[in-house]
Amino acid sequence: ETGVTQTPRHLVMGMTNKKSLKCEQHLGHNAMYWYKQSAKKPLELMFVYSLEERVENNSVPSRFSPECPNSSHLFLHLHTLQPEDSALYLCASSQEQGDSPLHFGNGTRLTVT
Amino acid sequence: AQSVTQLGSHVSVSEGALVLLRCNYSSSVPPYLFWYVQYPNQGLQLLLKYTSAATLVKGINGFEAEFKKSETSFHLTKPSAHMSDAAEYFCAVSVPTASKLTFGTGTRLQVTL
Repeated sequence: ETGVTQTPRHLVMGMTNKKSLKCEQHLGHNAMYWYKQSAKKPLELMFVYSLEERVENNSVPSRFSPECPNSSHLFLHLHTLQPEDSALYLCASSQEQGDSPLHFGNGTRLTVT
Repeated sequence: AQSVTQLGSHVSVSEGALVLLRCNYSSSVPPYLFWYVQYPNQGLQLLLKYTSAATLVKGINGFEAEFKKSETSFHLTKPSAHMSDAAEYFCAVSVPTASKLTFGTGTRLQVTL
C-alpha cells in the first residue's frame, strides 16, 4: 500500500463525544501535518510534526489534541467539539525541506451535531 | 512571511478553451511554488512545482505554469480544457528554510459543453 491513508472517511459525532482521526503514510516521509478545510475559507494548517516532534501548533483549541507515535502514524483526538468544527480534516506528509511537496490523504469529513 | 493570492474564486470555460488560473505570490526570499488540484471528496493532488530550475514548469494532465519574477506570478494554464478538469485548484508557496506551505484560497474551475 502506498500514499497517505486516512480513516474514517466520514464521522458524525455529538458535542460530548470523544473520537479520533487516524492517518498513516507509506512514503517514508519525516514530517506530517493536519489541515482543516472549511467551506469558503482558506486551508488552515493546524499541526506539524517533524521527526515525531510537534513543531507547529497554530493556535488550535485544546479540544483538538494531536499525537504522533512514530513517523508513519498521526492521530487527531477530538473532544467536546463545537458545530463550527464541522469540516474536512486533511492529513499530509512530506520530507522536511522547502521544495518537498505535500502528499495528502483523502480526508475525514467531520460533522458535529 | 510568504503568501499567495489567487484571483477569481470561480472560473468557467468551455470544453476545448484555454484554461488560465491566476496566482500571485509574495516572498522575501526566492520561493518554491506549487499548484494542487482537488477533486470532489478527495484530498489535494500535486499538479506541478517550481523550485528555481526552469521557469516554465510542465505538470500532469497537460497543465503548465510559468514563474515570472518581475510580475511575482505563477499562473496555471492548459491549452484545451476537458470536462475532467473541473475541480478546485490551489496555489501554494514555501521557502527554502521551512517546510511549511502557505495555500491560496482556491479557484473552482467549471468546464461547460
